[in-house]
Amino acid sequence: GAVVSQHPSWVICKSGTSVKIECRSLDFQATTMFWYRQFPKQSLMLMATSNEGSKATYEQGVEKDKFLINHASLTLSTLTVTSAHPEDSSFYICSARDPNYNEQFFGPGTRLTVL
Amino acid sequence: AQKVTQAQTEISVVEKEDVTLDCVYETRDTTYYLFWYKQPPSGELVFLIRRNSFDEQNEISGRYSWNFQKSTSSFNFTITASQVVDSAVYFCALKKRAGNMLTFGGGTRLMVKP
Repeated sequence: GAVVSQHPSWVICKSGTSVKIECRSLDFQATTMFWYRQFPKQSLMLMATSNEGSKATYEQGVEKDKFLINHASLTLSTLTVTSAHPEDSSFYICSARDPNYNEQFFGPGTRLTVL
Repeated sequence: AQKVTQAQTEISVVEKEDVTLDCVYETRDTTYYLFWYKQPPSGELVFLIRRNSFDEQNEISGRYSWNFQKSTSSFNFTITASQVVDSAVYFCALKKRAGNMLTFGGGTRLMVKP
């Protein structure tokens, strides 16, 4: 099956710093990737849809300037949390759509803790 | 608008018991896909099943079975003879035929005690 990786798997940072999370499709090309956020004991909430070569589409209530998404290649999308604050602490999960299967495959997630 | 409801937030069973996780959905689309995912404590989402709205045949995979009832907009998931390793959060999700957006339910935390 299709494999999606995320790096790092966890990160702890100080308030005010920026953190970059990478999402890679390892064995397929993904024109579309998705970023989700999951707070403890809650469901996954879609933050944005990342399209290769174009601007990301953000869901209502998600700050574009705070959560920068770049999808520069068919196998890599990055999410940068700028000027992170403790309330940004969460589990961030990406998924990538494999056009061969018309299916989304999820990465293992990145746990962000902002002190 | 689409909506997925998992009314059971937490279920606790003793090993070897059967357990059913409920999922009710709302959509105006006639063609859609339904999913179940397992999220163990490690956090990674594990795909369990995808069902097309035109396929109401129930499915069985080992100890897992799924009951799709279009008339009641439900897609329930049953684990037979539960095991401790089944302890996880289970999510039901809905996707339109067109587009890629997945709408997740709130999840059901299943705890299987030895």
